[in-house]
Amino acid sequence: SQQGEEDPQALSIQEGENATMNCSYKTSINNLQWYRQNSGRGLVHLILIRSNEREKHSGRLRVTLDTSKKSSSLLITASRAADTASYFCAFMDSNYQLIWGAGTKLIIKP
Amino acid sequence: EPEVTQTPSHQVTQMGQEVILRCVPISNHLYFYWYRQILGQKVEFLVSFYNNEISEKSEIFDDQFSVERPDGSNFTLKIRSTKLEDSAMYFCASNWPGLYEQYFGPGTRLTVT
Repeated sequence: SQQGEEDPQALSIQEGENATMNCSYKTSINNLQWYRQNSGRGLVHLILIRSNEREKHSGRLRVTLDTSKKSSSLLITASRAADTASYFCAFMDSNYQLIWGAGTKLIIKP
Repeated sequence: EPEVTQTPSHQVTQMGQEVILRCVPISNHLYFYWYRQILGQKVEFLVSFYNNEISEKSEIFDDQFSVERPDGSNFTLKIRSTKLEDSAMYFCASNWPGLYEQYFGPGTRLTVT
């Protein structure tokens, strides 16, 4: 299967703590992207990391990519209640299709 | 800020009926996509569309599905004879060639009874 895998499935932390989510994939990729989805809403693009990059930052977001392990992580620092959402990784394969992980449900407790 | 829009937000239909889900991608985007997400499950790629033809499609996108760009703004997904298992959120997305970030609409929740 080309599907991505994410862990944990759910993560509940206190406001102010850091949240780390992981994603693994099985095939070669062009890039890997992270999206956010608020409950019952659309998907919002957060950050993209290309296959030749190892780390990328955007505000409180930090993404790493290890192509040797076929894995990526998303770190949200200094979490806020508004970060509560589901986070999905999606990797772009050689056919430029986005293959999605199962998502991590993040709950930030105030 | 430009955004992808989708209508309707919720569609209820009976099994065997045809449905058309509508999307207005961001103007000047040239690649268009449909995805679906069954409740609580992964987002699944259905089809991509470029230059007025399908460029890629998944195994899910069988003969019951079709896409069309009838004019310069709309992008539609038709399901000819809906099944119970077609119940899902359907997302439309678009992007500009060479930029891999996709912009998603809010989705249409399809309920087949």
